[in-house]
Amino acid sequence: AAGVIQSPRHLIKEKRETATLKCYPIPRHDTVYWYQQGPGQDPQFLISFYEKMQSDKGSIPDRFSAQQFSDYHSELNMSSLELGDSALYFCASSRNRVSEAFFGQGTRLTVV
Amino acid sequence: SQQGEEDPQALSIQEGENATMNCSYKTSINNLQWYRQNSGRGLVHLILIRSNEREKHSGRLRVTLDTSKKSSSLLITASRAADTASYFCATDAGSNYQLIWGAGTKLIIKP
Repeated sequence: AAGVIQSPRHLIKEKRETATLKCYPIPRHDTVYWYQQGPGQDPQFLISFYEKMQSDKGSIPDRFSAQQFSDYHSELNMSSLELGDSALYFCASSRNRVSEAFFGQGTRLTVV
Repeated sequence: SQQGEEDPQALSIQEGENATMNCSYKTSINNLQWYRQNSGRGLVHLILIRSNEREKHSGRLRVTLDTSKKSSSLLITASRAADTASYFCATDAGSNYQLIWGAGTKLIIKP
């Protein structure tokens, strides 16, 4: 069965650079969530989209932005990267906002 | 602050034993979900229990939900080495439509 696809799987960037993370939800899923998980920490909710509109916003820094496109894939854009942005970034999708979410394998971002 | 808090933070048992992990939360919820994460890997959805359900089974997993105590437990029976992972509970807390995560329980199954 199709799962949530995230790309790239690994990314290394220097401080002050930008990064774009992509998420392709499970077909027919209309809701996408982004989470950030620092080393040894629990996942923190960043932002979510429902039917291509921003649904909710969590602890997402102003340097980050995200959107969901017409084909329901989503991109997380991160600018002026800081060392503290190094983390595992998960995307999840669900069929609607109250159903179980299925997670991608994550993108490991390392800022050096 | 965390919606879900899990205990124990770490649990080490012998293969074949049962493992029980607990999760408490603060606000009313639509549903509660349990996830497994192998070290550095993606989260795997295990089971979802809705607020009007009290118990749910899936294979060797048994989840209970007590909304009066705002708590849930995950029981893994007949544990296997492959069950070694971190287990998280996450709550869907009302109109925000986001999952609020607990800190996780690190489960180690000793062969």
